[in-house]
Amino acid sequence: AQSVTQPDARVTVSEGASLQLRCKYSYSGTPYLFWYVQYPRQGLQLLLKYYSGDPVVQGVNGFEAEFSKSNSSFHLRKASVHWSDSAVYFCALSSNSGTYQRFGTGTKLQVVP
Amino acid sequence: GGIITQTPKFLIGQEGQKLTLKCQQNFNHDTMYWYRQDSGKGLRLIYYSITENDLQKGDLSEGYDASREKKSSFSLTVTSAQKNEMAVFLCASSSTFSQNTLYFGAGTRLSVL
Repeated sequence: AQSVTQPDARVTVSEGASLQLRCKYSYSGTPYLFWYVQYPRQGLQLLLKYYSGDPVVQGVNGFEAEFSKSNSSFHLRKASVHWSDSAVYFCALSSNSGTYQRFGTGTKLQVVP
Repeated sequence: GGIITQTPKFLIGQEGQKLTLKCQQNFNHDTMYWYRQDSGKGLRLIYYSITENDLQKGDLSEGYDASREKKSSFSLTVTSAQKNEMAVFLCASSSTFSQNTLYFGAGTRLSVL
């Protein structure tokens, strides 16, 4: 069975601080992994995705994520957050033969002054 | 680029009512999806369609019907609205495979009185 766990429902960080949002997955094969962001009253937009190769993938707006097969994780990072990064972030998983992406429950990020 | 348009943006229904949500995409994507978003539960797949006139059930299909009469459109019907139900329904599309990026509409917000 495939599943995605985002253990932190809410994260608050100060503007300019670094950020890590956690994502753990369960899948026996090699996963396809995604991070999406949802701004208020909008649909989700892709931040980055991982298929294979370098375990650190770069995304838009300075975001990056690191894939760890040993830890079954795909954590999202940013070196210095801006107030405009406040949004809900979703991690998603698909298998190489999968027919749809499974999503985690999301992490709401609040960036405070 | 392209866009996914969902109508209506807001939908208020009565208990037991049949309600229809519509989605149009101009990406020329083969695959379209309906996800339901509930606070604290992330996104759960209701139905998806890999081509015109194809329908596949997701994890949450009970209580819903779907229709894909054209490649560009995908509609979802709530067969009997549940009292006090509140959720956001998100339509998405992708090119052929689930490993590809999903493109989302802004959502239809449902409230049932």
